[in-house]
Amino acid sequence: QVQLVQSGAEVKKPGSSVKVSCKASGGTFSNFAISWVRQAPGQGLEWMGSLIPFFNKTDYAQKLQGRVTITADESATVAYLELSSLRSEDTAMYYCARDGRGYGNWFDPWGQGTLVTVSS
Amino acid sequence: EIVMTQSPATLSVSPGERATLSCRASQRVSSSLAWYQQKPGQAPRLLIYGAVNRATGIPARFSGSGSGTEFTLTISSLQSEDFAVYYCQQYSDWPRTFGQGTKLEI
Repeated sequence: QVQLVQSGAEVKKPGSSVKVSCKASGGTFSNFAISWVRQAPGQGLEWMGSLIPFFNKTDYAQKLQGRVTITADESATVAYLELSSLRSEDTAMYYCARDGRGYGNWFDPWGQGTLVTVSS
Repeated sequence: EIVMTQSPATLSVSPGERATLSCRASQRVSSSLAWYQQKPGQAPRLLIYGAVNRATGIPARFSGSGSGTEFTLTISSLQSEDFAVYYCQQYSDWPRTFGQGTKLEI
């Protein structure tokens, strides 16, 4: 049973960067893909990007290209999301999730979420 | 990108009744459709994948149907714990996209 545990809440200044971690336990980390999905306050869900460590392949949402980086430390079974040039619109809950049965499918399970607040 | 549209935005139903939630895709997604439940302060939880397959541990009162562009999530007899927001998501094409959600309220 895969479980994902994320790092704690962050408060950042506009223009800075944030790096959120997602620790996986259970399963074989290199065999599955990790995605990041965010949810602005009171809003819906937005896919940000995905990584499959085994193939060292990443895909990112076009609107975030150039600002988002997803990496993984396979030995530590941790995935990271880094978002740069933060703006107030990036204030959101950030979730990591495993891709179901391969890459590019549904999301299951999900981490508990990390709240990132961007404020001057 | 494929736009997912859910209806209604809010659905008011009594416990014990049946709820039917709809999701429409702007282009055909075959059966590459998932449903999630999200309760306040919690992460989303997978309910259905492949349009009709219940995820592990999901009660039989949840069922999914449809293919192509029209999909339905049915909850046969609402329990108090089912009142939440429900999202559909397509994974037929990149980027994977979600509907805006349907809030199921008492």
